[in-house]
Amino acid sequence: EPEVTQTPSHQVTQMGQEVILRCVPISNHLYFYWYRQILGQKVEFLVSFYNNEISEKSEIFDDQFSVERPDGSNFTLKIRSTKLEDSAMYFCASSPTYQTDTQYFGPGTRLTVL
Amino acid sequence: GQSLEQPSEVTAVEGAIVQINCTYQTSGFYGLSWYQQHDGGAPTFLSYNALDGLEETGRFSSFLSRSDSYGYLLLQELQMKDSASYFCAVRDRTDKIIFGKGTRLHILP
Repeated sequence: EPEVTQTPSHQVTQMGQEVILRCVPISNHLYFYWYRQILGQKVEFLVSFYNNEISEKSEIFDDQFSVERPDGSNFTLKIRSTKLEDSAMYFCASSPTYQTDTQYFGPGTRLTVL
Repeated sequence: GQSLEQPSEVTAVEGAIVQINCTYQTSGFYGLSWYQQHDGGAPTFLSYNALDGLEETGRFSSFLSRSDSYGYLLLQELQMKDSASYFCAVRDRTDKIIFGKGTRLHILP
């Protein structure tokens, strides 16, 4: 069964450094998402992406964040200058359609900012 | 503001039935989704209701009442592996996906 994959599973970085989190969505899906989940808290929407552009972003997704689909398979989240409060689990998700909200989540990348 | 409310914790006995409620207040509404998340794992899609009524998928059912801005997830014949957190989620008018804070389901043997 096809699945969303994410790398790395765990990323440790120093405050102020740039990180890139990588995702490979399910191949025939058209909608892509990034979420974050701080330990013990709810899943928070960051951004949705469709047709090579951002379709929606949350207040969390400020100028420090960017997303890119550099080729036909990868979908990346970049944090330019990490802060301590960026430490969280970051989930990528993809969906074949728009309205059903059937999203398939990747296993996540745990980001630890020191 | 926009919000989803669900109980923080629910406890039930193995083999029993449990209902997890979700009420929502959003600027727009397309449908209500439910996700399961085991500790350390990723959210897994369970169900989606766009129209009023009950949707059944095996041991899990989900209900929606748009007029009451309310839905619930019903889990039957509870198994120990059902111990997890359950999140309701909606897409608002701006297309952001909003998750509830999650309900931690504890199952007793």
